[in-house]
Amino acid sequence: AQSVTQPDIHITVSEGASLELRCNYSYGATPYLFWYVQSPGQGLQLLLKYFSGDTLVQGIKGFEAEFKRSQSSFNLRKPSVHWSDAAEYFCAVGIADTGGFKTIFGAGTRLFVKA
Amino acid sequence: NAGVMQNPRHLVRRRGQEARLRCSPMKGHSHVYWYRQLPEEGLKFMVYLQKENIIDESGMPKERFSAEFPKEGPSILRIQQVVRGDSAAYFCASSRSRGTDTQYFGPGTRLTVL
Repeated sequence: AQSVTQPDIHITVSEGASLELRCNYSYGATPYLFWYVQSPGQGLQLLLKYFSGDTLVQGIKGFEAEFKRSQSSFNLRKPSVHWSDAAEYFCAVGIADTGGFKTIFGAGTRLFVKA
Repeated sequence: NAGVMQNPRHLVRRRGQEARLRCSPMKGHSHVYWYRQLPEEGLKFMVYLQKENIIDESGMPKERFSAEFPKEGPSILRIQQVVRGDSAAYFCASSRSRGTDTQYFGPGTRLTVL
């Protein structure tokens, strides 16, 4: 069955430090991959997505992610974290089948930023 | 989040009552998806609708839950005879076309069942 694993429930980084959020997926075919961010009490905002092509994807707010097929991973990175990045981050896999298209989300990683 | 409207933002119901959640997709979008988020969990897919059609309801509980997306008006997620376990945030997303088109999410409706 398809699944998405985000191994880190919480991560704390200092402002200005680099960030990497881990994501592993389980899916038989080439997946469509997404990272979303959710601020408290808000809906989800798409940071970036990978469908095909270059495995290093640039997103909004200075984020990037790299698709590694051999590791079934799609880790999110940012070189220098800002206090406003504190939020919950969700990795997701999109699956297209005869029934349409559905998105399977990981459980999320909550990012705390300390001054 | 631009453009997808959900109302109400907060809804309180007593056990046994009905809950109706509304979602107005972005202008020009005819595909709607509903997700449920339990506390401390990710979003779980519930149902995917296109105008007047349910395309995929594999994530919907078999009883008490229904969804529609009429030709005119918002999409409605209806929960009959609510129970405490239905307390969650319900998110709607819309896309312009089917498949891999980007989904835009609304702010969610937080349902509390007393």
